[in-house]
Amino acid sequence: QQQVKQSPQSLIVQKGGISIINCAYENTAFDYFPWYQQFPGKGPALLIAIRPDVSEKKEGRFTISFNKSAKQFSLHIMDSQPGDSATYFCAAVYGGATNKLIFGTGTLLAVQP
Amino acid sequence: NAGVTQTPKFQVLKTGQSMTLQCAQDMNHEYMSWYRQDPGMGLRLIHYSVGAGITDQGEVPNGYNVSRSTTEDFPLRLLSAAPSQTSVYFCASSSPGSGYGYTFGSGTRLTVV
Repeated sequence: QQQVKQSPQSLIVQKGGISIINCAYENTAFDYFPWYQQFPGKGPALLIAIRPDVSEKKEGRFTISFNKSAKQFSLHIMDSQPGDSATYFCAAVYGGATNKLIFGTGTLLAVQP
Repeated sequence: NAGVTQTPKFQVLKTGQSMTLQCAQDMNHEYMSWYRQDPGMGLRLIHYSVGAGITDQGEVPNGYNVSRSTTEDFPLRLLSAAPSQTSVYFCASSSPGSGYGYTFGSGTRLTVV
């Protein structure tokens, strides 16, 4: 059973467009929601993260929107560039002492020039 | 500062063989985790540790053992390799001081024939 559901599985966006990736969760024990970016042959790297008491966080062209009541969050990439082409994973971290990190299934983003 | 180091980078095993995937971090992180990455399934948590001497099972622990005798090292053991364990394995570490974001190693690509 997938604890963090992610969609779409793949996404093609034109250069300069907006990329949107959506995630949903059920377990209210999660208290931190990061996004990771992964390039081929590399390990995932932390991109941006949000806590559930915040509805939006923006870092450069990357924005997380968080809807606590709906248990949904999304990543928006503004002015998408070919260098943004990668696999993006949403994730959730359990609160408390475990700091256990659970991933979504990933979205393969291709930004066409 | 090397971060998270995984060895080997590539490995081919025969069914039934055993091996240990090594993971070491030099950031004095308390939390360490092992993931496997398979196409369409994202990264799934195998085992994790909240400190030296403390480990627990993740989402897909069967067929894998771990131990954590020091803060720096967190080896993953395959006792009797099976073709279903063909995957890319990632080790990651984190601490409260790092904002709970995990740092990942570059991965080990394991093929079991």
